[in-house]
Amino acid sequence: AQSVTQLDSHVSVSEGTPVLLRCNYSSSYSPSLFWYVQHPNKGLQLLLKYTSAATLVKGINGFEAEFKKSETSFHLTKPSAHMSDAAEYFCVTTMTTDSWGKLQFGAGTQVVVTP
Amino acid sequence: DTGVSQDPRHKITKRGQNVTFRCDPISEHNRLYWYRQTLGQGPEFLTYFQNEAQLEKSRLLSDRFSAERPKGSFSTLEIQRTEQGDSAMYLCASSLGRWQLLTDTQYFGPGTRLTVL
Repeated sequence: AQSVTQLDSHVSVSEGTPVLLRCNYSSSYSPSLFWYVQHPNKGLQLLLKYTSAATLVKGINGFEAEFKKSETSFHLTKPSAHMSDAAEYFCVTTMTTDSWGKLQFGAGTQVVVTP
Repeated sequence: DTGVSQDPRHKITKRGQNVTFRCDPISEHNRLYWYRQTLGQGPEFLTYFQNEAQLEKSRLLSDRFSAERPKGSFSTLEIQRTEQGDSAMYLCASSLGRWQLLTDTQYFGPGTRLTVL
């Protein structure tokens, strides 16, 4: 069965410093992997997705993630944090052989950005 | 705004009452999903529609829960005889449903927060 584990439940960064959110996946098949962001009182928004094309995936708002099969990881990074990046981030997977496309979410990482 | 909409945004009810939530997907999206998110957790899949057909239901969806998508447009999720454990955020998502793609992008609504007293 496919699953994702987010290694940090909370991350605190200073504005202007790099952000790293860690995610490991477990899958018997080639996974599709996503990062979603959830701001308070707003819907989940897709940041980026990996579907077995390029291993370095660029997303919106300056975020990117690298798929590393040898490490079974899909970490999310951003070179310079903004105050508006404060939110909850979810690493998500779906098995590519699963045509229904239902998503399986990690537990989430709460990001706090300090001035 | 042409995104996914959900109504109501908040619902407070007493234990044992029935509640119904509505989701309006993005126009022309064939797939519609319901998820449930409890405090401090990621969303969990509940059920899925391809047009008007309900194709899969999670084991989380007890027989007190029922979902419909008449005519393949909006969807409703009803919970009968609510329990305090049903308190959660109920999220709806829709996607185009292109079978050629490995996965569609799912677009989420803002959710309905249910509190059962």
